[in-house]
Amino acid sequence: SQQGEEDPQALSIQEGENATMNCSYKTSINNLQWYRQNSGRGLVHLILIRSNEREKHSGRLRVTLDTSKKSSSLLITASRAADTASYFCATDELRKAAGNKLTFGGGTRVLVKP
Amino acid sequence: GAGVSQSPSNKVTEKGKDVELRCDPISGHTALYWYRQSLGQGLEFLIYFQGNSAPDKSGLPSDRFSAERTGGSVSTLTIQRTQQEDSAVYLCASSRFGLAGGGETQYFGPGTRLLVL
Repeated sequence: SQQGEEDPQALSIQEGENATMNCSYKTSINNLQWYRQNSGRGLVHLILIRSNEREKHSGRLRVTLDTSKKSSSLLITASRAADTASYFCATDELRKAAGNKLTFGGGTRVLVKP
Repeated sequence: GAGVSQSPSNKVTEKGKDVELRCDPISGHTALYWYRQSLGQGLEFLIYFQGNSAPDKSGLPSDRFSAERTGGSVSTLTIQRTQQEDSAVYLCASSRFGLAGGGETQYFGPGTRLLVL
């Protein structure tokens, strides 16, 4: 079963605009990661934020984490047509035996129009 | 260096047949994971191998599903007596250590698209 819910499910923006998507999860976590998927194939890691961090930046990406609300957001600034993809949040649970198993949200499909 | 590779890219099979899906992880990566992505269920964890430890099979949906990892490298996911609901993209990933507590990037292969007729 999926840990997280993502919203919106789909997002359509013009090139140059910012894209914001949100992820909520249910259990206590060690870390939260965001991945991108093009054309329904392999996922590419974007950024990881640890449970003791509140905000992280990587290039045009900004991630926030609010563990009290069990939620995270991903902001893509100055979007490009190449950012068109599906974006997934993924969590690993705060359980000793969980290892590195990821639980994914439902994903947000982003379309950036040129 | 080479990433995670999977074969075949696509597989069409008839209901009731067995299929084998292969994953070659990044060389030196200790941990290997299988996930399944389908329209109805999204991305689901199936099984996780870490070094010589017993695999975490908690995500396998039924006893028709099994996986092996030989020599700590290549893995094969086997689905016996396939059903139409097994149709999905099967994704393999590897990470360097597979540490308890997570926090590692997982590197995904391109997936195998399975269609059961």
